[in-house]
Amino acid sequence: DQQVKQNSPSLSVQEGRISILNCDYTNSMFDYFLWYKKYPAEGPTFLISISSIKDKNEDGRFTVFLNKSAKHLSLHIVPSQPGDSAVYFCAAIRSGGGADGLTFGKGTHLIIQP
Amino acid sequence: EAQVTQNPRYLITVTGKKLTVTCSQNMNHEYMSWYRQDPGLGLRQIYYSMNVEVTDKGDVPEGYKVSRKEKRNFPLILESPSPNQTSLYFCASSLTYGGTYNEQFFGPGTRLTVL
Repeated sequence: DQQVKQNSPSLSVQEGRISILNCDYTNSMFDYFLWYKKYPAEGPTFLISISSIKDKNEDGRFTVFLNKSAKHLSLHIVPSQPGDSAVYFCAAIRSGGGADGLTFGKGTHLIIQP
Repeated sequence: EAQVTQNPRYLITVTGKKLTVTCSQNMNHEYMSWYRQDPGLGLRQIYYSMNVEVTDKGDVPEGYKVSRKEKRNFPLILESPSPNQTSLYFCASSLTYGGTYNEQFFGPGTRLTVL
């Protein structure tokens, strides 16, 4: 039972264009969502997060949108740069709940084409 | 420098030979966790610890043990490794758990191969 789903294993985007990575979740108890970025041979690093009380959070070139009714969030990267090529993991948690860890999606490999 | 360290980074072993992967953080974090990453499965939590001497099972705890005798260290123990434990392992820590969520910081990973 996959509670966080990233249905696109890979995505190829031209440099300078917008990258949109999607994530769906099934557990309505999740109330905090995060995106992690992972380069080969390194651990995931935190990128951006959003609380369920918001529908948008922006940090420089990165914006996360949350649609609670659809249980869907997306990460927008504008403009896309070669250094953005990495695997992106969507993660969710019940922040007010117990000590469970993050529930991760399977990841989307973003490839920025020059 | 604030960081999570893991050792070893790479390990090849044989079935049944006990091993320990160490994890240490220097941020005085209460919460520590172990994940494994497998192709097509993403990151799955193995065990977590809310504080010293407090540990609990995650989603895939079978075949693993952990201990939390000190706040900074959270070793992962494989008493009798099997080939299905071949994976990439990540340790993570965060300031606390629950309430206002604090992001988790990840170590660089340990690639384990069990022959």
